[in-house]
Amino acid sequence: EAGVAQSPRYKIIEKRQSVAFWCNPISGHATLYWYQQILGQGPKLLIQFQNNGVVDDSQLPKDRFSAERLKGVDSTLKIQPAKLEDSAVYLCASSPTLAASYNEQFFGPGTRLTVL
Amino acid sequence: ILNVEQSPQSLHVQEGDSTNFTCSFPSSNFYALHWYRWETAKSPEALFVMTLNGDEKKKGRISATLNTKEGYSYLYIKGSQPEDSATYLCALCSNDYKLSFGAGTTVTVRA
Repeated sequence: EAGVAQSPRYKIIEKRQSVAFWCNPISGHATLYWYQQILGQGPKLLIQFQNNGVVDDSQLPKDRFSAERLKGVDSTLKIQPAKLEDSAVYLCASSPTLAASYNEQFFGPGTRLTVL
Repeated sequence: ILNVEQSPQSLHVQEGDSTNFTCSFPSSNFYALHWYRWETAKSPEALFVMTLNGDEKKKGRISATLNTKEGYSYLYIKGSQPEDSATYLCALCSNDYKLSFGAGTTVTVRA
């Protein structure tokens, strides 16, 4: 079974530039998550999709971050414009259903973003 | 969002030695506790899911215990090997199935 795919793996941009990350979840997984992990902190949930609908985006900085999940499969996360404090690892995860194994999630390798 | 703390933040272990570290939380109002292992340049992978007070799980040389009454979980590595070097993340699954992560314990095993 193929795992969660993410690209790019690394990205370096200057502040005020835009950047986009892509995620392809495990086939058949209904729920998709984007997390932000800042160095020294635990992953923080940015947005959760159930199929192609948003379930929770309460911690997404909507003035600069946006995300979509077209057709309930792939997802993109965009930052526009980027700030220095956006430097982090952006993790995508998916799960088949929330109740399966108490929402055990399957993670991609992440995208490490550096904003200069 | 549930408050999850992990200690220590990092530790160095000599190959062959055993070690353990802690995940602590103030409330027992959650569905499950997850442990993930995150090796450098790889994806975090699930190690254990524990739900009941007194739960013990084991996978090879790695085991974990859960004490919901006193609010902690221990993860043990017996006879550490270089491939055990990773960041170990603890996460609580709340009643609405959200995961709240700790900051992790980074283990470095020295040959």
